Amino acid sequence: DIVMTQSPLSLAVTPGEPASIFCRSSQSLLHTNGYNYLDWYLQKPGQSPQLLIYLGSNRASGVPDRFSGSTSGTDFTLKISRVEAEDVGVYYCMQALQTFTFGQGTRLEIK
Amino acid sequence: QVQLQQSGPGLVKTSQTLSLTCAISGDSVSSDSAAWNWIRQSPSRGLEWLGRTYYRSKWYNDYAVSVKSRITINPDTPKNQFSLQLNSVTPEDTAVYYCARSISDMGIDHWGQGALVTVSS
Repeated sequence: DIVMTQSPLSLAVTPGEPASIFCRSSQSLLHTNGYNYLDWYLQKPGQSPQLLIYLGSNRASGVPDRFSGSTSGTDFTLKISRVEAEDVGVYYCMQALQTFTFGQGTRLEIK
Repeated sequence: QVQLQQSGPGLVKTSQTLSLTCAISGDSVSSDSAAWNWIRQSPSRGLEWLGRTYYRSKWYNDYAVSVKSRITINPDTPKNQFSLQLNSVTPEDTAVYYCARSISDMGIDHWGQGALVTVSS
C-alpha cells in the first residue's frame, strides 16, 4: 500500500501571509500518462472534505488562485499565497494512483 | 448540480451489519466517467477509503484490503443510488461515513454530508 506522510501536522498563519503544506508518498505517483496522481482536500470545521487540487497542480472548479500545488519526485507541496480566515481547517493529501490513500492531515489555524 | 444524500441507522450492534445508502441527484450511478465511493473518518484511523463501484460497460468494484472480507458496495440503477454493507462490525468501525463521487483522474469532487455510525453492544 502507498503511504502518505504530511508535515507539519499543524500550523498557525497570520492572515495575508503565505503557507505551505508538505506531503510525501512512499512510492512514485507518476502515471504512464505523465501525471502525478495526487490530490489535495480541505475539510472545514463541521463540513465534508472538498477538493482543492487534482493531478498534483490542477485547481478544482471554484478554487481561488491563491491555492497552488507542485511536485518534486515523491514530494508534493500545497501553497497558499495569502492565507485568509476562510482557509482554516484540515488539509489532506491523497494519492489516487492505486485506489485512494489519505495523509494524516494538517490543521491550519489563524494567528 | 450533483448532490449525494446519505441515509441509514446511526447505531449498529457489535457483530451485526452496517448498512448505508447514498441517493444520487444530478448524475447517474451508471455514468461511464464516475465512480461511487464510500469513505469513513475516525480519530484513530483518519480518512479511510473503503471501496467503490463503477460502470464501464459492466459493473466493477474495488475494496480496501483492510475491509475486503466484510464489505459489499452495490449500485441500484432504478433508484439511482448505491449502498454500503459492512459485516461483523466492531466498535473500531465507529466512524463518520461519507459517500462520494470521483471523476476519472479529476479527484473526489462531490461528497455526501457524512453520517456518524456508532457500533456498540
